Amino acid sequence: DVKVTQSSRYLVKRTGEKVFLECVQDMDHENMFWYRQDPGLGLRLIYFSYDVKMKEKGDIPEGYSVSREKKERFSLILESASTNQTSMYLCASSLFGEQFFGPGTRLTVL
Amino acid sequence: RKEVEQDPGPFNVPEGATVAFNCTYSNSASQSFFWYRQDCRKEPKLLMSVYSSGNEDGRFTAQLNRASQYISLLIRDSKLSDSATYLCVVNSMEYGNKLVFGAGTILRVKS
Repeated sequence: DVKVTQSSRYLVKRTGEKVFLECVQDMDHENMFWYRQDPGLGLRLIYFSYDVKMKEKGDIPEGYSVSREKKERFSLILESASTNQTSMYLCASSLFGEQFFGPGTRLTVL
Repeated sequence: RKEVEQDPGPFNVPEGATVAFNCTYSNSASQSFFWYRQDCRKEPKLLMSVYSSGNEDGRFTAQLNRASQYISLLIRDSKLSDSATYLCVVNSMEYGNKLVFGAGTILRVKS
């Protein structure tokens, strides 16, 4: 079974803090993705990566950056957290087609 | 216009009912289509892929209409455990593995 893990299920941070969300997959997948999910808006792609050290902007990259130093790990960074970044963050990985998701991190920025 | 559109519902149906969801997509060049299921406070999981010829998996049937650019999901003999949000997903032709998710349709099956 593919396993995608995320570092935290729940996180509370203050405005202006730097936030790191970690994602690890154990299936040697090339592709990894970061989404946020908000009510009524569905999943929106923030960044994705097709290979180590490679990254591509998704639909809503503003305020975020990513890092992929190893194939199995894809990190999402909020350089200076803001209240409008309060959301559910989901990481996914894929080889072809089907994406496998981690359990999500519910981030609250106060 | 959203790239993938779904009726948000909720669809409230009794056990044993048949229920159908539709989804429309805007990019006529899209090649891959999926239905994902997401339980409350859980991550999305693949329910089934959607093939041009239509496909069935037990009580679930998925259909693709390329001419009209819509995808459907039919659930027969609904169970309480079918209660979830169903996400329509289409690949983006910009990058082969990028998926675009609809906002989801909520299904509530009641006894």
